[in-house]
Amino acid sequence: AQSVAQPEDQVNVAEGNPLTVKCTYSVSGNPYLFWYVQYPNRGLQFLLKYITGDNLVKGSYGFEAEFNKSQTSFHLKKPSALVSDSALYFCAVRDIASGTYKYIFGTGTRLKVLA
Amino acid sequence: ETGVTQTPRHLVMGMTNKKSLKCEQHLGHNAMYWYKQSAKKPLELMFVYNFKEQTENNSVPSRFSPECPNSSHLFLHLHTLQPEDSALYLCASSQDGRKEQPQHFGDGTRLSIL
Repeated sequence: AQSVAQPEDQVNVAEGNPLTVKCTYSVSGNPYLFWYVQYPNRGLQFLLKYITGDNLVKGSYGFEAEFNKSQTSFHLKKPSALVSDSALYFCAVRDIASGTYKYIFGTGTRLKVLA
Repeated sequence: ETGVTQTPRHLVMGMTNKKSLKCEQHLGHNAMYWYKQSAKKPLELMFVYNFKEQTENNSVPSRFSPECPNSSHLFLHLHTLQPEDSALYLCASSQDGRKEQPQHFGDGTRLSIL
């Protein structure tokens, strides 16, 4: 079965420091991977995706993600964290192999950026 | 502006009430979804509609009844809910057939059951 795992419930980082939010996946076939962010009292907002091509994908708000096929990981990164980046982050994979095309979400990681 | 609008944003209802949640998307998508988001639990997929046809019902209790009259509108009819149904209900849309496209979410309806 297709799945994603976000091993950390919460990540704390000081403002100005680099941040990483981890995601690993398990899929049959080629992975279609996504990152979303959720601010308080808002829905999920799309940040970036990996479909094919360059392993480093750039997205909104200065975020990027590194696809690593051998480690089946798709970690979200940012070189310099802002307090306004504090939010809930979700990794997702699209289940293509089963034919359902369902989006499967991780459990979310809360990012706290400390001033 | 996400292109997906949910109303109302907040709803408080008693267990015997009947109410409906509404979702409208202005993105020309052909698939729409209902999710339930509870504190400290994973996002739960409830229903999926593709070209107005229900393609997924994730063992959701019958007190939740979805309706999709066209590809732009999605409703969730609620009746005789339980306190554990209090949660944030999120609507999303996507363009199926386009595997690389992400979902677009509304800002949700925060539902409280008294």
